[in-house]
Amino acid sequence: DAGVIQSPRHEVTEMGQEVTLRCKPISGHDYLFWYRQTMMRGLELLIYFNNNVPIDDSGMPEDRFSAKMPNASFSTLKIQPSEPRDSAVYFCASSRKGVGTETQYFGPGTRLLVL
Amino acid sequence: GDSVTQMEGPVTLSEEAFLTINCTYTATGYPSLFWYVQYPGEGLQLLLKATKADDKGSNKGFEATYRKETTSFHLEKGSVQVSDSAVYFCALSGRSGGSNYKLTFGKGTLLTVNP
Repeated sequence: DAGVIQSPRHEVTEMGQEVTLRCKPISGHDYLFWYRQTMMRGLELLIYFNNNVPIDDSGMPEDRFSAKMPNASFSTLKIQPSEPRDSAVYFCASSRKGVGTETQYFGPGTRLLVL
Repeated sequence: GDSVTQMEGPVTLSEEAFLTINCTYTATGYPSLFWYVQYPGEGLQLLLKATKADDKGSNKGFEATYRKETTSFHLEKGSVQVSDSAVYFCALSGRSGGSNYKLTFGKGTLLTVNP
């Protein structure tokens, strides 16, 4: 399997611009997670989906952030407008429901820099 | 709520030294426990896990035992290699409520192994 795929791997943008991060989960996985990693705050869960439905978005920092999962093989995380404090590495992860399968498989991440 | 506390780094060792990274947790119910590893520039990878008390997870020479009485899941390796240099994250997956698949991570411990 190809693993979790994220694009772009790196993104540099200017404050105020819209940023869209993309994720393709592992085929057959029905949970998808978006995380943000910074030096100051560590790894934070932003939102997660089950069967394409958002289950918990309590980690989304504010209304500038939105996430969608239109089908089982694609999800987006959008920041509009972006701010310098959004600079971080954003990870997508997926997992499959079942006994003992809380294991999450992470993508390589998108490194975002907002100038 | 659930929380994970792991020893702060960085940890610097010489090759073939013994490694211990401490991890303690607070959780309701009976969580599963995990160690993830993040190599430079990559996403997190599952290193090992344990799903019930007294279970020992092991992989690539690393071990950790689920100790319910001390709420701990310390990571150990008898002889580290330069290639083990990475950031190590302790995590738990709660079994209570509806968030069975939501991981709570510690802040990570940077390990550097010198030749």
